[in-house]
Amino acid sequence: RKEVEQDPGPFNVPEGATVAFNCTYSNSASQSFFWYRQDCRKEPKLLMSVYSSGNEDGRFTAQLNRASQYISLLIRDSKLSDSATYLCVVNRFFGNEKLTFGTGTRLTIIP
Amino acid sequence: NAGVTQTPKFQVLKTGQSMTLQCAQDMNHEYMSWYRQDPGMGLRLIHYSVGAGITDQGEVPNGYNVSRSTTEDFPLRLLSAAPSQTSVYFCASRRTAQETQYFGPGTRLLVL
Repeated sequence: RKEVEQDPGPFNVPEGATVAFNCTYSNSASQSFFWYRQDCRKEPKLLMSVYSSGNEDGRFTAQLNRASQYISLLIRDSKLSDSATYLCVVNRFFGNEKLTFGTGTRLTIIP
Repeated sequence: NAGVTQTPKFQVLKTGQSMTLQCAQDMNHEYMSWYRQDPGMGLRLIHYSVGAGITDQGEVPNGYNVSRSTTEDFPLRLLSAAPSQTSVYFCASRRTAQETQYFGPGTRLLVL
C-alpha cells in the first residue's frame, strides 16, 4: 500500500461547480499535512496547510480526519484557473523529516 | 527575493556523461531537498540537507551525489547518466522541518 494515495482523476467539472478530493495516508504518526497545486510543466506550489480543526481560504476548504487517516480538499464555485493537478503532502518526523507526496489528482474545469 | 533557482532548465545527456544540476535559495533556509518527478510516481526524494555540511539520502539516491558547502547552494551531481534518470528534477527549500517547502522551477533532463 502506498504511503499517500490519491485518486488520479481526471476530474472534469463544469465552471461554477463544487468539487472535492480525498487523500488517504497510511502512517498514523503523520503530523502535518498540505495541499499543493501544480500547473502543467511547472513546479508545485503550496495551496494550503491542513489543520486538525479544518481551515478555509476563500473558495477552498481543507479538512483532516485523523481517525480515518484522510485529508480532503473542497473547491467551491470552481474557476477555469483552478484547472491543475492537486498534490496531497504528508509529513512525519522520526529524528529526520519524511515528506511524502501523493501522485496527484488532475482537475479540469470546463467552460 | 529570487526564492529557489535552478539551472539549467533543460538538458540532454548521453548515457555515461556526468553533469551537475545547480540549486540556490536566498531565503536563508536550512532545509534543502532534491526530488525527481516521473509520470504516475509522484515526487520522490533523492537527497536532502538539514544545514551546511549535512546531507542524507532520500528514497532514490542511487546514481546521484550532493554536497552542501553553503546554506544557499545545494548542487546535485549525476555521476554517470543513465536513461532511467530521464525525469524532471525539482529542488526545494524550507526554513524548518515543520514548515512548507518552496520549489524551484525544475530541470528537465533527457538521457539518451
